[in-house]
Amino acid sequence: EVQLQESGPGLVKPSQSLSLTCSVTGYSITSNYWGWIRKFPGNKMEWIGHISYSGSTSYNPSLKSRISITRDTSKNQFFLQLNSVTTEDTATYYCARVVPGSFYFDYWGQGVMVTVSS
Amino acid sequence: DIQMTQSPASLSASLGETVTIECRASEDIYNGLAWYQQKPGKSPQLLIYNANSLHTGVPSRFSGSGSGTQYSLKINSLQSEDVASYFCQQYYDYPFTFGSGTKLEIK
Repeated sequence: EVQLQESGPGLVKPSQSLSLTCSVTGYSITSNYWGWIRKFPGNKMEWIGHISYSGSTSYNPSLKSRISITRDTSKNQFFLQLNSVTTEDTATYYCARVVPGSFYFDYWGQGVMVTVSS
Repeated sequence: DIQMTQSPASLSASLGETVTIECRASEDIYNGLAWYQQKPGKSPQLLIYNANSLHTGVPSRFSGSGSGTQYSLKINSLQSEDVASYFCQQYYDYPFTFGSGTKLEIK
């Protein structure tokens, strides 16, 4: 069974970078696409971006200047880095498996809550 | 960006009832729509994709319909385990966008 687990700091200071890891078990990240989504307090959800089985990426234009999604195939992990964070980036961050060609999410991690605060 | 307007924001219904949640897209999304269920403290779970296809393992009391800009999720014979938030997502075009969610409670 596919399982995803996010990890990373729960608190980040404004202007710093947020770095999260998604560890995948039960499926190789060299197959399918793998994405990041966040849910803000108040429940609005936002697609952040994804990385493909070949390592190509797509990002939400609203974040494109600040984000980077990378991967380590040897560890079956992929990563999110979000730079220059503000309090507006406070959210629960989810990683998920993306169905290629359709781009909906069929397996999700449990989520990690990240607070941006000094 | 394609805007997804979801309604209602909250819903209270009795066990055994049928409920419907709707999402309206700001333009035609050609059935590129998924529905998810998120129970309190849990991760979202895929229910429906391609507007009307039931994901593996999802009970048949869930169904999706619609076309163009109007889509709906119907839950027949509401059960206590259906208490959750539900939200839609369009994946017809980048950037993929979500509805604002519907919180379903049992009356």
